[in-house]
Amino acid sequence: KQEVTQIPAALSVPEGENLVLNCSFTDSAIYNLQWFRQDPGKGLTSLLLIQSSQREQTSGRLNASLDKSSGRSTLYIAASQPGDSATYLCAVRVRGSTLGRLYFGRGTQLTVWP
Amino acid sequence: SQTIHQWPATLVQPVGSPLSLECTVEGTSNPNLYWYRQAAGRGLQLLFYSVGIGQISSEVPQNLSASRPQDRQFILSSKKLLLSDSGFYLCAWSGPDSPLHFGNGTRLTVT
Repeated sequence: KQEVTQIPAALSVPEGENLVLNCSFTDSAIYNLQWFRQDPGKGLTSLLLIQSSQREQTSGRLNASLDKSSGRSTLYIAASQPGDSATYLCAVRVRGSTLGRLYFGRGTQLTVWP
Repeated sequence: SQTIHQWPATLVQPVGSPLSLECTVEGTSNPNLYWYRQAAGRGLQLLFYSVGIGQISSEVPQNLSASRPQDRQFILSSKKLLLSDSGFYLCAWSGPDSPLHFGNGTRLTVT
């Protein structure tokens, strides 16, 4: 069974820092990996989707990388801002699984203080 | 563009009462639809998914059921709520190779 782990569980940084959130998964036979952002009491917002054949995806200050062989992905946030404060979740879709079956990590709660 | 609507945003229901949460998707046809639950201190749990009208698959046996009466409508129901049904319920949709998109969620408190 696929297990997804996110480290650290919580992170507090001053504004302006570059930071890295980590996601690891046990089964490397994935179809894709997706990073989400969740604000308190809200649904999840999709940030980046990396297909299994890709190594990274970028959107603005966000860059996500994927190393399928080692079962790892990182989300890099450049020049962090207080508005980046949220919980960040990663999820993997496993090859051969029922379509759309995603396995989620428990998230990293990020606080960026001014 | 595609949008997903989920309602109500919050709900407080007594134990033993029925439940109906509704989710609709606009701007796409034949989406894959999902119900997830997020309990405090726990990760996201997939409850149901659907690949078409009337086609429902359950991931976890529980006190809940789901129905898909129309292509872009997904309903989560219960005949009698339990205290353990409290949580944050999220509807989501995806296409064949597209990202998963979530609604804003329903905060359910069973008292």
